[in-house]
Amino acid sequence: NAGVMQNPRHLVRRRGQEARLRCSPMKGHSHVYWYRQLPEEGLKFMVYLQKENIIDESGMPKERFSAEFPKEGPSILRIQQVVRGDSAAYFCASSPTQGLGTEAFFGQGTRLTVV
Amino acid sequence: GESVGLHLPTLSVQEGDNSIINCAYSNSASDYFIWYKQESGKGPQFIIDIRSNMDKRQGQRVTVLLNKTVKHLSLQIAATQPGDSAVYFCADGAGSYQLTFGKGTKLSVIP
Repeated sequence: NAGVMQNPRHLVRRRGQEARLRCSPMKGHSHVYWYRQLPEEGLKFMVYLQKENIIDESGMPKERFSAEFPKEGPSILRIQQVVRGDSAAYFCASSPTQGLGTEAFFGQGTRLTVV
Repeated sequence: GESVGLHLPTLSVQEGDNSIINCAYSNSASDYFIWYKQESGKGPQFIIDIRSNMDKRQGQRVTVLLNKTVKHLSLQIAATQPGDSAVYFCADGAGSYQLTFGKGTKLSVIP
């Protein structure tokens, strides 16, 4: 089991471009969570998805950000028209059942830099 | 909104000594707490958790103490090793997945 895989590890985008971040959960995990970490800050919840469904997106900015977790393939966090303030590390976690506890694991993150 | 904070941003300890990392939380409805370790360039790694119906929980070389009266949480690491050097976060799990993380304490182990 390769663990939670995120790619790319590093992503550089110019202002106004789109960023697509991918997260492949651990085998057997159908719950995915996205968190954002600003420099020298703790992680902040963005969205929780279960296969094909968005369960809770209360932490997502209302504009430019979207997430999906299709039946086949990885979960995608999409940021349109990126701005400098979007520069951060984006982490996803996965779990076999709802909740971030002992059975949940985080990926190594995607570090987005907007220039 | 509610927040989880840490008292000290950095902590340096001698190898072999015990480390204590503190955390304060403000959400009185919090009922689940997790400590994470984050090494440079990596994602958070689960260390230990505790529910609000407990005061103390022990793992391998780690102990978490919860004081609900003053809303305080601590992580004790016994016989600290160089491999323990990392940033440690406490997180409030009032919901099962929507955790509120503190800013972190950077632990440096002096050989």
